[in-house]
Amino acid sequence: GDSVTQMEGPVTLSEEAFLTINCTYTATGYPSLFWYVQYPGEGLQLLLKATKADDKGSNKGFEATYRKETTSFHLEKGSVQVSDSAVYFCALSDMDSNYQLIWGAGTKLIIKP
Amino acid sequence: KAGVTQTPRYLIKTRGQQVTLSCSPISGHRSVSWYQQTPGQGLQFLFEYFSETQRNKGNFPGRFSGRQFSNSRSEMNVSTLELGDSALYLCASRSVAYQETQYFGPGTRLLVL
Repeated sequence: GDSVTQMEGPVTLSEEAFLTINCTYTATGYPSLFWYVQYPGEGLQLLLKATKADDKGSNKGFEATYRKETTSFHLEKGSVQVSDSAVYFCALSDMDSNYQLIWGAGTKLIIKP
Repeated sequence: KAGVTQTPRYLIKTRGQQVTLSCSPISGHRSVSWYQQTPGQGLQFLFEYFSETQRNKGNFPGRFSGRQFSNSRSEMNVSTLELGDSALYLCASRSVAYQETQYFGPGTRLLVL
């Protein structure tokens, strides 16, 4: 079945550092890919998405490109802030599975001032 | 447009009791899904309702049930609560036009003592 693998955390960076959180997937069909973010004590927020190969999703300075050839959807940000500290989830949804979200395990990001 | 809302936000119950959680989807969204999030198990899919019918179901015991009303609002019920039911319960809604994308509410944090 479909699956999502993302890098284990926690990831600890200093403010203004460059961020990459790796995410790879396996899917039989053509999934849509997502990054969700969960701030401490809150629910999940959709951060960005991409629905087809080579699409780039972007929001709040974060970007991720749908790479079909490497089955990846890595999250990047050029200069992180303390307020970016949160847990980041990579996920996919696929028509073959009735668009149920398949989740990565989540990566906790800690930004130090 | 208002986002997904969930009530109550916090709940404390004792073992053996039952609990009902409520979710109001984004206006116009007819699909509502429920998830359980725990530190040990991560995000787990409970069930999905669409137009008052359960469309998909995860691997949870029958103590977990749900329903959806004609206005798309949904409730989930957990009977005979166990300590292990302590979790963040998240509700998500999606539209027919953009089925691949789910939007989450803030969650209900349930503590079972």
